[in-house]
Amino acid sequence: DADVTQTPRNRITKTGKRIMLECSQTKGHDRMYWYRQDPGLGLRLIYYSFDVKDINKGEISDGYSVSRQAQAKFSLSLESAIPNQTALYFCASRGSTGELFFGEGSRLTVL
Amino acid sequence: DAKTTQPTSMDCAEGRAANLPCNHSTISGNEYVYWYRQIHSQGPQYIIHGLKNNETNEMASLIITEDRKSSTLILPHATLRDTAVYYCIVKVSGNTGKLIFGQGTTLQVKP
Repeated sequence: DADVTQTPRNRITKTGKRIMLECSQTKGHDRMYWYRQDPGLGLRLIYYSFDVKDINKGEISDGYSVSRQAQAKFSLSLESAIPNQTALYFCASRGSTGELFFGEGSRLTVL
Repeated sequence: DAKTTQPTSMDCAEGRAANLPCNHSTISGNEYVYWYRQIHSQGPQYIIHGLKNNETNEMASLIITEDRKSSTLILPHATLRDTAVYYCIVKVSGNTGKLIFGQGTTLQVKP
């Protein structure tokens, strides 16, 4: 089983809809991250969390919110989805020496 | 975090060693060298990291020059499944998790 699991893996939605992407990890890591990947732009950090209830903005947090209610879970929400939020989203947790363990990704399409 | 330079693409014959270079001439004393790879839109996979000593794990070896301005990732016996984009990243271990993946090296392993 994967150490970092993301759901859903694929989602198509319409402009204005609320979307939640969920992430859970079994590695017992305190630090978790949400990234988005767009063609030619690499990975960009949306939000990160160092512990339960700790939330920090990344490079591109506008239009997104997150929740960290438990050590193992870190969810990303799009309150009102727009087409330019169409992207591949990755969740990650961080090991003790800085290495990141990524989920398989959630492909979101906003029409 | 220091910038890295990698060749855009490389080919390697199946079963042979793949040597992927990375230049990081502006690396600071407390910055680690991390290697990740991404296989066609899957989540990035952590491979190995090091500070100044050479490192080896079950996936690869990392050779860091004495002046730390460059490094080489070695896949000792490349297989077709090693075809991926390989990213060299230099960062402080304890920073916020912001990653600059850059364009990486596309490694094509050929039969």
